[in-house]
Amino acid sequence: QVQLVQSGAEVKKPGASVKVSCKASGYTFTYYYLHWVRQAPGQGLEWMGIINPSGGSTNYAQKFQGRVTMTRDTSTSTVYMELSSLRSEDTAVYYCARGVQGEGNYMDVWGKGTTVTVSS
Amino acid sequence: SYELTQPPSVSVSPGQTASITCSGDKLGDKYASWYQQKPGQSPVLVIYQDSERPSGIPERFSGSNSGNTATLTISGTQAMDEAEYYCQAWDSSTVVFGGGTKLTVL
Repeated sequence: QVQLVQSGAEVKKPGASVKVSCKASGYTFTYYYLHWVRQAPGQGLEWMGIINPSGGSTNYAQKFQGRVTMTRDTSTSTVYMELSSLRSEDTAVYYCARGVQGEGNYMDVWGKGTTVTVSS
Repeated sequence: SYELTQPPSVSVSPGQTASITCSGDKLGDKYASWYQQKPGQSPVLVIYQDSERPSGIPERFSGSNSGNTATLTISGTQAMDEAEYYCQAWDSSTVVFGGGTKLTVL
């Protein structure tokens, strides 16, 4: 079955960087885009960006431009999201989600999320 | 930037019909999707392409989209449907989420 398995929880200090991984299985990795979405405690969903695993092209939400980097490793069917210059407001659950592009552009499978805590 | 607006909360009695709206400029010209999220869980896709249901989603979930408003309708609402619901659209190569609607079944 289609699965997205994310890396474990992280605790970081302000100013540091965090790199979260998302390993895909159960489908052809390069056939679907991957999104990153975060959710701060008690808040709604916030889209961070998207990566095309086939060629590695990315598109980031304007809010995160210059601070986020999404990459992929096709040999392990894994995508990565690195967020730098962390601040307390970045404390959130970070989700990867498989994207169906074309007619509709929606996310049909989600990972379980990775909790990132930013605290001094 | 594009915005989607949802009511913060909707209440419904068990067995009745719940309607959750999502408003955005000319939203009917785009496709809307809906996600259900229960506390402590990841979001789950319940409607895509305005009105399509993924496999495994009960028939009581339906959707429509016209003009400036997309609507998620849950017929014969059950206690298990109590959750947060988010609409989503694609605009200018970016994903936009609504703020979410807490559905209470009481």
